[in-house]
Order: sequence, then structure tokens, then C-alpha cells
Amino acid sequence: ETGVTQTPRHLVMGMTNKKSLKCEQHLGHNAMYWYKQSAKKPLELMFVYNFKEQTENNSVPSRFSPECPNSSHLFLHLHTLQPEDSALYLCASSQDGDTGVPDTQYFGPGTRLTVL
Amino acid sequence: KNQVEQSPQSLIILEGKNCTLQCNYTVSPFSNLRWYKQDTGRGPVSLTIMTFSENTKSNGRYTATLDADTKQSSLHITASQLSDSASYICVVSGAGNMLTFGGGTRLMVKP
Repeated sequence: ETGVTQTPRHLVMGMTNKKSLKCEQHLGHNAMYWYKQSAKKPLELMFVYNFKEQTENNSVPSRFSPECPNSSHLFLHLHTLQPEDSALYLCASSQDGDTGVPDTQYFGPGTRLTVL
Repeated sequence: KNQVEQSPQSLIILEGKNCTLQCNYTVSPFSNLRWYKQDTGRGPVSLTIMTFSENTKSNGRYTATLDADTKQSSLHITASQLSDSASYICVVSGAGNMLTFGGGTRLMVKP
């Protein structure tokens, strides 16, 4: 196990639903990330949080709303999604700030989201 | 534009055989290059990390090479096992630790 857990593992929702994805890291890291992985496309970085502060938002539509209440938990709130938002949503964490040491990201198992 | 291209897109080999996966990148400036293994239905797991001064790194049956001059990397898998069936993703880190992901190579090892 990588120390990063995600729930739920699978989610099916309608376009009018509101749901949330949860990520928890048990590695003592200070940075957390949300990625979207669509079929046959590279991983797309969505959001980055360092020390609970959002440091990056890669032009993600407002129907995706992240929340980072502390350095161990990260949420992705979903509302009025579109069918093209169906994908695997991966959470990752890393320990940033170590000079000279590449910050390996540890990924969770992902949430497979299907939007009907 | 920073890009990472991987080849082949997919590969089928017999158990016990060796194989080599390729990664070409245009990321500049270059900080480091990582190879990840992603099993079906799971998140990626780091295999190797190489900085510009390293040209080879091994992790068990996995050996990664890096040529920073030609901006190419390869991942060689020796004596493949059924459990090696997965997607292998090349990730290049540039300025400010910005990561650029390759599209991955899907490897299937058959008995």
C-alpha cells in the first residue's frame, strides 16, 4: 500500500447530482494533488495544495471544487458534471521542500467516476 | 511546449522475455525523470527517479537509462513476469517541479 487512500473507489452519478471524492494520506507529506486520467490520455494535473494552500489550478472548470482542510485530507466536490468528466480521478501526495531530492509523488488507487 | 512521448503505445510479450520501453521528451529546463508502473485499477507507483547526472538506475528487474543530451530515456524489463502487465508512465520534471506526463505504454505479458 502506498499510504494514500481514496473513497469511494467507484462512483456513478447523474449530471444534476452533487458528490464528493475523498483522499487521505498517511505519509506525513505536505503537498497533495488531484489528477484526472482519461482513457488513452496522459495524466492531467488539476489542483495542487501545499501546506493546505492551493498553489495551482490548471484551468479546471468550476464544477470541480477542491477542499483541503488539513495537510492529510483532500476533497474534490463535484456538481453538475458532464459525461466527458467520466474518468479515473487520482490523488497523490509528496513531501516538498527537500532541496536536492526529487519529490516523488505517491498515488492513491483512484476513484472511477462515471457521469450519466 | 513541454512534451513527453512514449513508445510503443502497447506491447505484448511472452513471459520470460525482455523488453524495452522508450520515452522522448522536450521538457526544458530538465530536473529529473521518473518511471511509474500503473496496474489496472490502481494508482501509479514510482519505479525509478533519475537526475540529469545519472544515466542508469536499476530497481530489481527494471533498469532505466537516461541520455540528457538526446533527451531520451528507456525502461528495460528483464525476464518479464505476468505481474509486469501494466501501464508504464514516463514523467519529466521541469522548472518549478512542473511535471509533464507521457501517455504511457501498456504492456501485456502472456504465459
